Amino acid sequence: KAGVTQTPRYLIKTRGQQVTLSCSPISGHRSVSWYQQTPGQGLQFLFEYFSETQRNKGNFPGRFSGRQFSNSRSEMNVSTLELGDSALYLCASSPRDSYWGEQYFGPGTRLTVT
Amino acid sequence: LAKTTQPISMDSYEGQEVNITCSHNNIATNDYITWYQQFPSQGPRFIIQGYKTKVTNEVASLFIPADRKSSTLSLPRVSLSDTAVYYCLVGTMIKAAGNKLTFGGGTRVLVKP
Repeated sequence: KAGVTQTPRYLIKTRGQQVTLSCSPISGHRSVSWYQQTPGQGLQFLFEYFSETQRNKGNFPGRFSGRQFSNSRSEMNVSTLELGDSALYLCASSPRDSYWGEQYFGPGTRLTVT
Repeated sequence: LAKTTQPISMDSYEGQEVNITCSHNNIATNDYITWYQQFPSQGPRFIIQGYKTKVTNEVASLFIPADRKSSTLSLPRVSLSDTAVYYCLVGTMIKAAGNKLTFGGGTRVLVKP
């Protein structure tokens, strides 16, 4: 099976712009989670989607949003970008709908905000 | 959510066994212990998960004492390619609202030749 794919892999944006990142989970996986990783804060949970519904949300401002489509693919959007949003954004899919077992992470999208 | 404490870094040599201990004093009855490995510029990779006693797979072993207030990830005969950051996660397995996986600071393991 193909792994989790994320596009784009690298992105440079200017402060104030918005950005959309895409994630395609492993075939058959219906739960998709997003994480932000920075040197200062480490890996932080953004949100989790299942059946096109956000089921869990981390402690991030409303500028961070996401959605999931009927084919389980997911997108996350960050509006009004700030310098502090520069990070590696990771997507993970899980084969288990209801349990935090093994998660499969994608390679991430590295976002740089200038 | 149970708070975890693990060493910031560890050095080892090729062929040695590496043991990383994670403390989780306020672990709850329903919490599981999960370990992930992360190489630079890659997403984390699941290593092992357990609830009590000992769990072993082809990559590692996880030792959990009876009181479950700590756990030890054991990597047998490490190689240079095992140089990575290792994260210990403790939490409920159920994906209900409000439950999320929390990654701590991780342990940076450097394997030397």
